[in-house]
Amino acid sequence: QKEVEQNSGPLSVPEGAIASLNCTYSDRGSQSFFWYRQYSGKSPELIMSIYSNGDKEDGRFTAQLNKASQYVSLLIRDSQPSDSATYLCAPLRVGRLYFGRGTQLTVWP
Amino acid sequence: EAGVAQSPRYKIIEKRQSVAFWCNPISGHATLYWYQQILGQGPKLLIQFQNNGVVDDSQLPKDRFSAERLKGVDSTLKIQPAKLEDSAVYLCASSWVAGGFDNEQFFGPGTRLTVL
Repeated sequence: QKEVEQNSGPLSVPEGAIASLNCTYSDRGSQSFFWYRQYSGKSPELIMSIYSNGDKEDGRFTAQLNKASQYVSLLIRDSQPSDSATYLCAPLRVGRLYFGRGTQLTVWP
Repeated sequence: EAGVAQSPRYKIIEKRQSVAFWCNPISGHATLYWYQQILGQGPKLLIQFQNNGVVDDSQLPKDRFSAERLKGVDSTLKIQPAKLEDSAVYLCASSWVAGGFDNEQFFGPGTRLTVL
């Protein structure tokens, strides 16, 4: 079993829709969880972090964490073409990030 | 605030040659990371420094890769000799300290290495 698994993608949604990105992780010792966005040819940039069960909202983005199910998700409301990128899920454990392969999202106008 | 700087941005070498990458972290960041990102995959940690000491180098192929962070600021990552499978983007990141729950890592622009 891989350490971090994300929706295989690519995911394609129309502008204005909700994009749902999912991630499961294998190690229950993971302390907090980070979502990074990576545009093609660019480096990752942090969107959100979450470490408590439940939801955390920041603008159009909502991160959801369920530690019992070892599941974390990212919802993007009112998706825009500028949200088209690869989204990387990264649990943190003992000061180290473990990145998934990422899910490629395309938002079409 | 200046971001993480890396050079060169691109490098093409032949297999068995050597190559070195340089990274300058954000001022004041104690922790520095080197990642390897192969096309279609997420970044994989190669080595983590806290100031000028190594915290984690378990994923570093030590027979060919080496890294140092003298004086706890700049860092260099070297590959000698390079193999075809080393073709990847090498990302440097830095953070204030390691281990915090919300410890954000800031990434540099990366160096794209092609080994022919």
